Amino acid sequence: DAGVTQSPTHLIKTRGQQVTLRCSPKSGHDTVSWYQQALGQGPQFIFQYYEEEERQRGNFPDRFSGHQFPNYSSELNVNALLLGDSALYLCASTLGEYEQYFGPGTRLTVT
Amino acid sequence: AQRVTQPEKLLSVFKGAPVELKCNYSYSGSPELFWYVQYSRQRLQLLLRHISRESIKGFTADLNKGETSFHLKKPFAQEEDSAMYYCALRHGSGNTGKLIFGQGTTLQVKP
Repeated sequence: DAGVTQSPTHLIKTRGQQVTLRCSPKSGHDTVSWYQQALGQGPQFIFQYYEEEERQRGNFPDRFSGHQFPNYSSELNVNALLLGDSALYLCASTLGEYEQYFGPGTRLTVT
Repeated sequence: AQRVTQPEKLLSVFKGAPVELKCNYSYSGSPELFWYVQYSRQRLQLLLRHISRESIKGFTADLNKGETSFHLKKPFAQEEDSAMYYCALRHGSGNTGKLIFGQGTTLQVKP
């Protein structure tokens, strides 16, 4: 099991553009959470998906949206990119009550 | 509001010295606390959680509800302990819970 995988590893976008990040959860996990980690900061919760629905949301604008597919994989979409959206985006998956397993992240740079 | 505070951005110690990474939290209710670690070029991974009361790699952490603290301790630091450490609090129950992270502390263990 490769664990949680994310793609792409890095990408560079221009202000105003839209971006889609992808996540495949650890085998057997049904819940996916997304976090944004700005440089020098701890991860901040964006939202969580379970049974293809957004179950919880952090303090992020509607420009941030997501989706979960029947195979539990997930996408994070960000519209109208701002310079401040530059960050490492982490995906975490879980099953049950405890440990969230994190992916390696996608480094987004907005120029 | 739920919050996790790690007052030190950097902690530098010599090999063999004791280590204490501080974590304070603000939470109304019964908190569930974790320590995550990120070694260089590796993904974020769970180090320990307070409910299991186990020792991982010689590290322990005790939840002190009176002082709202969950400090991470190790009696004798090793060079391989050098990493970024994040304290996190789970807000919500079971696998619905989102993680609230502190800003992280870089532990540097010098030879």
